[in-house]
Amino acid sequence: TQLLEQSPQFLSIQEGENLTVYCNSSSVFSSLQWYRQEPGEGPVLLVTVVTGGEVKKLKRLTFQFGDARKDSSLHITAAQTGDTGLYLCAGAGQAGTALIFGKGTTLSVSS
Amino acid sequence: ETGVTQTPRHLVMGMTNKKSLKCEQHLGHNAMYWYKQSAKKPLELMFVYSLEERVENNSVPSRFSPECPNSSHLFLHLHTLQPEDSALYLCASSQDMGAPGTDTQYFGPGTRLTVL
Repeated sequence: TQLLEQSPQFLSIQEGENLTVYCNSSSVFSSLQWYRQEPGEGPVLLVTVVTGGEVKKLKRLTFQFGDARKDSSLHITAAQTGDTGLYLCAGAGQAGTALIFGKGTTLSVSS
Repeated sequence: ETGVTQTPRHLVMGMTNKKSLKCEQHLGHNAMYWYKQSAKKPLELMFVYSLEERVENNSVPSRFSPECPNSSHLFLHLHTLQPEDSALYLCASSQDMGAPGTDTQYFGPGTRLTVL
């Protein structure tokens, strides 16, 4: 069974701080996605990483896919209150199977 | 707007009621999903439909009954639910299932269900 472990589970920081959240597995994934979910809404896709070692930037967010395609990280620079939400990673395994979701990291950014 | 709509957004029902959740996607996708999201728990995949055929059913109690009449619509029929079934029920769709690059899931806003 493929599992994705996300850490930390909860993170509470001040505006302007930097942070990194992690998504780890013992399994190899063909691609990995990061979603953000705000309270009362469904998750929204932030990025998909496909190639081992790939780094993608989305404004203040930097996503990295591990060389072995087993892990990923999300780094946020100078966090803002609008970054508050649940961050989910999801891995794609074999063709014809549904995405595997991690439990998520709940981020709270206060002013 | 993600192109996936869900109705109703909120539902309160008694344990003896029968109700249905509706999901519609306007993206031309082939796969549709039902998830349950409870407080402090991960997303639980309930059902997956690919090309209108059910391909996954993750040990979900029979009081939840899915229906996929066509590739754009997905229903979740509910009957004799329990209070522990109270949760956010999310619908999602993807172009295909499991193929890198085409399995990005687009979620609806969810239905917040409360069972009294």
